[in-house]
Amino acid sequence: KAGVTQTPRYLIKTRGQQVTLSCSPISGHRSVSWYQQTPGQGLQFLFEYFSETQRNKGNFPGRFSGRQFSNSRSEMNVSTLELGDSALYLCASSPRQGAGLGQTQYFGPGTRLLVL
Amino acid sequence: DQQVKQNSPSLSVQEGRISILNCDYTNSMFDYFLWYKKYPAEGPTFLISISSIKDKNEDGRFTVFLNKSAKHLSLHIVPSQPGDSAVYFCAASEGYAGNMLTFGGGTRLMVKP
Repeated sequence: KAGVTQTPRYLIKTRGQQVTLSCSPISGHRSVSWYQQTPGQGLQFLFEYFSETQRNKGNFPGRFSGRQFSNSRSEMNVSTLELGDSALYLCASSPRQGAGLGQTQYFGPGTRLLVL
Repeated sequence: DQQVKQNSPSLSVQEGRISILNCDYTNSMFDYFLWYKKYPAEGPTFLISISSIKDKNEDGRFTVFLNKSAKHLSLHIVPSQPGDSAVYFCAASEGYAGNMLTFGGGTRLMVKP
């Protein structure tokens, strides 16, 4: 079974631009979560999508948004990029949204975004 | 306020010996805990998990122990191998809060041949 895939793997943008990152979950997985990893803040939760609906959101500004399609693929968008948005963006999938049960999330390789 | 903490930023162990990585948490609502291994510029790789209804879970060379009263978990790797050298993250979630994982800051494990 193929793992979580993310595209693109690397991206360079300038301040003020916007960017869209894509994630394809493991086949059969319906929940997709996004995380940001930076040297200063570590791994931080951005949001989770399940059945095309955002189920949870982390403490990030509204410039960070996402969506999920009917085939469970997900995209995240960052508008008006700032230098501090430079990070590794990770997507993770799990079979279903947690409902009182712990869910193991499987991560993709990430998209490295550099904002100049 | 860091809800999940890994107080040792690095750990060095001889090949064949035991590696013990520690993690503390403050949120008593966490009920599922995971350990991930990560190489630079790659996504975390799932290693092992434990539910709050258990105090131990084993998978091959990896064992996770959970002490709920102390809000502490640990990952034991026996025997340690050079290929285990990586950054290890513990993570926690509240089952009813969905799939939001809260991560610790990571511990860099170096296994010397």
